[in-house]
Order: sequence, then structure tokens, then C-alpha cells
Amino acid sequence: EAGVTQFPSHSVIEKGQTVTLRCDPISGHDNLYWYRRVMGKEIKFLLHFVKESKQDESGMPNNRFLAERTGGTYSTLKVQPAELEDSGVYFCASSRERLAGISYNEQFFGPGTRLTVL
Amino acid sequence: AQKITQTQPGMFVQEKEAVTLDCTYDTSDQSYGLFWYKQPSSGEMIFLIYQGSYDEQNATEGRYSLNFQKARKSANLVISASQLGDSAMYFCAMREGEGGYNKLIFGAGTRLAVHP
Repeated sequence: EAGVTQFPSHSVIEKGQTVTLRCDPISGHDNLYWYRRVMGKEIKFLLHFVKESKQDESGMPNNRFLAERTGGTYSTLKVQPAELEDSGVYFCASSRERLAGISYNEQFFGPGTRLTVL
Repeated sequence: AQKITQTQPGMFVQEKEAVTLDCTYDTSDQSYGLFWYKQPSSGEMIFLIYQGSYDEQNATEGRYSLNFQKARKSANLVISASQLGDSAMYFCAMREGEGGYNKLIFGAGTRLAVHP
């Protein structure tokens, strides 16, 4: 079974440009999460999809960030226009629907996309 | 506010010895879950161990065990018989509430170096 994949692994862009990050979750996982780690700080939640619907987007920093998950498969996170403070590592995670009798639902993480805004 | 605190930015341990990585948490929920993830230099986040707030026994997974002290709100990770491959960043995280749909709240992480 393939794990969560993210593309690109690295992206270097200039302030004001647009970048789109992609996440392919594990096949069959309805839940898809985006997290971000800014240099030296905690990993912070951005948003959560259940299939194609946004379940929780309370962590999205501002309207320069747009996440989509058309068809409930892969997801994209677009930053437009990028600012210096957007630099960091963006992680995607996925989990299956919680099964009865199972006490927790492990989130499987991708390797992350390192975004550098100059 | 929900919060995870990892007070050790860096730790080192001799190969084959045990090491404890500290994690304290703050939540007003009665139902929550605590996770530990390992992030090696390759970047991926690897799930290690889980402890539910209602679990009476401390969780164990191979060489990993979780020292859960609910009254003190601590969930320390114990790695026994350290190996060179254990050198990595370790994150403590909390999920609040029931269900598998909840976001994780992470600590700042502890970088562990295992010396030969």
C-alpha cells in the first residue's frame, strides 16, 4: 500500500508568486489534513477534509491560502500571493473513517513540502 | 487553550541505554488521545505510539512505552535500548474529543541524538 505522497518536495519562489502544493492520500482514506511547520515552531493544523468537504478550516491563516479536494481524492493547497512568512514545511496527513471499536484513528503523514519564499 | 509542551529541545543518549522524552499537555476535555511521532532526517512523520485518556494501562509498542500520568498531565515517551537509528526529531501530539476526525495539536519537538 502506497503511503501519503506530496509534490513537490521542495519549492523556492519569490514573494508575490503563486505556488500550488499537492497531496495524494492513502487510497480509501476519507480524511485528509494539512499542517504547517514554520521554522523552529510547532506543527500547526491548517484544515481537514472529509472526502471533498471541508470539515474544519479553522487553522487557515488568511485568504491567500486556498485548499481544494475535488472528487475526494487528492488535495491541493494554493498560496497566492506568497509572502515571506509562508515559508515552512507543509505536511499532509490522511486517515481512514473511524471504525467501531477502534479507540483511535492514526493519521499517516506524507514527507512534507518545504516551501521557501524569498 | 489546548497545548502540548515539550521542554527538551535536544537530548542525547548512549547507544543501548534508555531515554525519556518529556511531554506535558493541557486540556479541559475528559476524552482525548496522545500520540508520539518520529521524524527522521528524511522528513516523513512516523507514528510510534498512542495513549487514550481512558486507557488504564500505559501503552507499549516494542521498545517504545508511554509513561502516562493523568493527574500530572504528562505523557512521556520512553525508548529502551536506544539504537543509532533512533536519532531523529520526536513530536508529542494530542487529539481532543472522541472520534477519529479531530485535528492534532503538536509540541515543538525534541531532537534526540544517539551516540555510539
